[in-house]
Amino acid sequence: EVHLVESGGVVVQPGGSLRLSCAASGFTFDDYTMHWVRQVPGKGLEWISLISWDGGSTYYADSVRGRFTISRDNSKDSLFLQMSSLRTEDTALYYCARGNSIYYYGHFDYWGQGTLVTVST
Amino acid sequence: QSALTQPRSVSGSPGQSVTISCIGISSDVGADNYVSWYQHHPGKAPKLMIYDVNKRPSGVPDRFSGSKSGTTASLTISGLQADDEADYYCCSYTGRYSFVLGAGTKVTVL
Repeated sequence: EVHLVESGGVVVQPGGSLRLSCAASGFTFDDYTMHWVRQVPGKGLEWISLISWDGGSTYYADSVRGRFTISRDNSKDSLFLQMSSLRTEDTALYYCARGNSIYYYGHFDYWGQGTLVTVST
Repeated sequence: QSALTQPRSVSGSPGQSVTISCIGISSDVGADNYVSWYQHHPGKAPKLMIYDVNKRPSGVPDRFSGSKSGTTASLTISGLQADDEADYYCCSYTGRYSFVLGAGTKVTVL
């Protein structure tokens, strides 16, 4: 059974940095593109980043480009999101999601339950 | 990239059908067939309900169906059940190594 478990969400001050992790199990991790999607409290879902199966290609939403870095460690079946220059508007529940294949297009077939990041003074 | 447009809420009685629309533009919903739908019960992981416009993953009841016409995609839930009460999000690949989602529709079972 596919499992994705996010961790690392905490309260951080504006301008601060944080690293989120996502532990994957139940599937061959390096057979899939991986994504981060977030949900601002009371708002909808926003896709923010994807990484290719081998980590060689990464893409970002305009709202986080230049501040967030997605990475993965296939030897540890883990996905990461390094967040810097955090803003109050980055406060959200952050989900990792599995892409449906090694290709970038398609959909997200499994999601974790999310980890909460709060950016506040 | 602007979010896809969904109604804020829809409702129906048990056994009825509801349809949720998802309006995009020619470069996302209208561009190809990579439209998907997700069910989200608060506090739980979102769940894939429909992919590639109208395909159902294994285990999703056939009461859930998807369609698309031009730049508008739709999710129909037939035979509404209490457990269908949740938030539903549409999603489209934009063709530029990114995805766009809708703001979500709250389905209420009366």
